[in-house]
Amino acid sequence: DVKVTQSSRYLVKRTGEKVFLECVQDMDHENMFWYRQDPGLGLRLIYFSYDVKMKEKGDIPEGYSVSREKKERFSLILESASTNQTSMYLCASSHHRDPEQFFGPGTRLTVL
Amino acid sequence: AQTVTQSQPEMSVQEAETVTLSCTYDTSESDYYLFWYKQPPSRQMILVIRQEAYKQQNATENRFSVNFQKAAKSFSLKISDSQLGDAAMYFCAYAAGANSKLTFGKGITLSVRP
Repeated sequence: DVKVTQSSRYLVKRTGEKVFLECVQDMDHENMFWYRQDPGLGLRLIYFSYDVKMKEKGDIPEGYSVSREKKERFSLILESASTNQTSMYLCASSHHRDPEQFFGPGTRLTVL
Repeated sequence: AQTVTQSQPEMSVQEAETVTLSCTYDTSESDYYLFWYKQPPSRQMILVIRQEAYKQQNATENRFSVNFQKAAKSFSLKISDSQLGDAAMYFCAYAAGANSKLTFGKGITLSVRP
């Protein structure tokens, strides 16, 4: 059974803190993605990666960075969290020969 | 750039009835992929059904089927015999190729009345 896991379901941080969101997949997928989900805005792509140590900006990369040191792990970093980054963050992965994405359970981040 | 439009933010259906969720997309590609994803309240996003554009036959998965109209760039999801567990947010998504990222619509919230 394929699985994408995220390090936390709920996270509360303070403005200015550095925040790490971790995502791990066990399907040997090449591609990994980070989205944020906000009411009325759907899913917006933050960053994605097609291979280890590779990263590409999505539609809303400002205020975020990513790291992919191992194939199975893709980290999203908020260098200095702000209240407008309060959101649901979803991680997903896919095989390089199939665009179907498999999603993690999401992390609901609140920045106070 | 490709866009995916789900024009209705909310829909409601009576249990055991049939409901159709609409989706249109814009692309200049001739071969692509389309998906419907389901996100139940506080639960994980899962795939409902998928369609490859080169296939003329509409995809079907149990109570879920699609009406794929390539010329009209329309990809609607039909849920038959609606169940309470079908209540969720549904997202339509498009991919230009096998190694492409997904473009999502804004989603539609489906409620099921007992």
